[in-house]
Amino acid sequence: RKEVEQDPGPFNVPEGATVAFNCTYSNSASQSFFWYRQDCRKEPKLLMSVYSSGNEDGRFTAQLNRASQYISLLIRDSKLSDSATYLCVVNGNQGGKLIFGQGTELSVKP
Amino acid sequence: EPEVTQTPSHQVTQMGQEVILRCVPISNHLYFYWYRQILGQKVEFLVSFYNNEISEKSEIFDDQFSVERPDGSNFTLKIRSTKLEDSAMYFCASSGVDRGLNEQYFGPGTRLTVT
Repeated sequence: RKEVEQDPGPFNVPEGATVAFNCTYSNSASQSFFWYRQDCRKEPKLLMSVYSSGNEDGRFTAQLNRASQYISLLIRDSKLSDSATYLCVVNGNQGGKLIFGQGTELSVKP
Repeated sequence: EPEVTQTPSHQVTQMGQEVILRCVPISNHLYFYWYRQILGQKVEFLVSFYNNEISEKSEIFDDQFSVERPDGSNFTLKIRSTKLEDSAMYFCASSGVDRGLNEQYFGPGTRLTVT
């Protein structure tokens, strides 16, 4: 089983659509969870940390289910500028090593 | 807004040559990392560094690799004898005091091409 597994994508959606990304992780001892976005050939940029209680930042909502080892990201009212690859990222230990999923590409069309 | 910077943006080198990739982490951060991303693949952890020593390293980070924080601002990754398979994007990252959350911020990367 992969350490962090994401929907393979790509997702092609019209502007204004709601899109959901799913992710599972294998290490039940994982402590911190994040969504990053990566534009083509650029660095990963932190989108949001994911808290146990779930959290929202504008149009973005992240959820964590520790029992199922499942993380999700919901984007509402998608914009053209949301087009990117979304990376599910898990921190497994105190050493700080981040484990990345393969990423799910999102393309928002006019 | 403070950011991580990296130089050079692109480095071309011949197989067997040594390269040094440079990073300036965010100034009040205490934890430093190197990751790499081979074209079309996922981002992979190489090494973490704290208090002037390596905290953790991956299997990729073999004897050909080393890291150093030579002064109060720079953080470098050296590859002693490059191989073709070292061609990748190398990202430096740093995180602050709140290690429990460990939000890491990435630099723009150095694209290393080994010919």
